[in-house]
Amino acid sequence: GNSVTQMEGPVTLSEEAFLTINCTYTATGYPSLFWYVQYPGEGLQLLLKATKADDKGSNKGFEATYRKETTSFHLEKGSVQVSDSAVYFCALIGRTGFQKLVFGTGTRLLVSP
Amino acid sequence: EAGVTQFPSHSVIEKGQTVTLRCDPISGHDNLYWYRRVMGKEIKFLLHFVKESKQDESGMPNNRFLAERTGGTYSTLKVQPAELEDSGVYFCASSQALLAGGNNEQFFGPGTRLTVL
Repeated sequence: GNSVTQMEGPVTLSEEAFLTINCTYTATGYPSLFWYVQYPGEGLQLLLKATKADDKGSNKGFEATYRKETTSFHLEKGSVQVSDSAVYFCALIGRTGFQKLVFGTGTRLLVSP
Repeated sequence: EAGVTQFPSHSVIEKGQTVTLRCDPISGHDNLYWYRRVMGKEIKFLLHFVKESKQDESGMPNNRFLAERTGGTYSTLKVQPAELEDSGVYFCASSQALLAGGNNEQFFGPGTRLTVL
């Protein structure tokens, strides 16, 4: 079945540091890929997505590129801020089925001033 | 426009009791999903409604869980009787009518944190 693996957290960074959160997936065919973010006390929000190979999703300074050859969708940001502290979830929707999201375990990011 | 709302935000119950969680999707959204995150693990799909019909309930863990969406508006998820392993955060999400070949964004509620003692 479909699955998503992402790096364990927490990831602790200083403000303005470079961020990478690794995500790899296993899926039949070519799924759509997503990053969701959960800020403290809030629900999950879609951060960015990519629907086909080599697509780059971007939002709020975050980027992720759909790499078919490595089945990866790593999240990056050049300069993190304290307000980026949250839990980040990598997810996919397979090409078959009815749009159910398959999530990774989540990675907590802590950014200190 | 109001987002997805869930009630209650927290629930603490004893093993063997019954709990009912409620989700109000965004108005006009045909699709409603329930997910669960247990003990810091991955968020797992439970089931999917299209209007009032269960489209996919392959993620429901067992028959102690009953989901309904009468009238195709809000949904309830009842756990009866609750067990310790049911503790976790239950998320609800909704999306508009599915488009052929499209990927409609799912909008999530804040979740209900369930603790079974």
